[in-house]
Amino acid sequence: DIQMTQSPLSVSASVGDRVTITCRASQGISSWLAWYQQKPGQVLKLLIYDASRLQGGVPTRFSGNGSGTDFTLTISSLQPEDIATYYCQQAVSFPLTFGGGTKVEIK
Amino acid sequence: EVQLLESGGGLVQPGGSLRLSCVASGFTFSNYPMSWVRQAPGKALEWVSIMSGSGGSTYYVDSVRGRFTVSRDNSKNTLYVQMDSLRAEDTAIYYCAKGGGSAWGPDWFDLWGQGTLVTVSS
Repeated sequence: DIQMTQSPLSVSASVGDRVTITCRASQGISSWLAWYQQKPGQVLKLLIYDASRLQGGVPTRFSGNGSGTDFTLTISSLQPEDIATYYCQQAVSFPLTFGGGTKVEIK
Repeated sequence: EVQLLESGGGLVQPGGSLRLSCVASGFTFSNYPMSWVRQAPGKALEWVSIMSGSGGSTYYVDSVRGRFTVSRDNSKNTLYVQMDSLRAEDTAIYYCAKGGGSAWGPDWFDLWGQGTLVTVSS
């Protein structure tokens, strides 16, 4: 199974700050990676797929980068509505696996 | 409206059974593989199983293989999972999720339901 490791576990930043979350795969997955946003009481939301493609309707302050084993999700200017937990997921082989999640909070 | 709506969760004793349902609307259900993903309280997401659009292909995570059975009724736009021999570690919110593409195989999920809570406890 491919293990997905996210860091940090949590991040606290001010409104307007740039926030970067890292996801590392235990083996190469090319660009078969997605990022999701989970807010309490809301439906999970796909943000990024294919490592860097923005899902329709997602604000452009979100961006994804990387290939192979190392990936990043960046929020260029943190907004109060971005408070959530973010997960990466590999989509190259079964079983599909997720990272452990990164909680983003406002400082 | 494009949405997924799960139901069927509840409290069940260890060793018991439960069947979850997920009704889809707003898209051509039979065209897409559908998955179950779960989340134990305070924990990360864990993918559980997938079924192809036609229902002819399935895959399960090792921890549920032989105990869970996924199925679908495309005439009712509904995905199911029959969960038998339930254990305490199966306690979680269970989400259904739509594959981002129509082809069979590993994929990401572009639509999620709100989830249904399964609690396995005596």
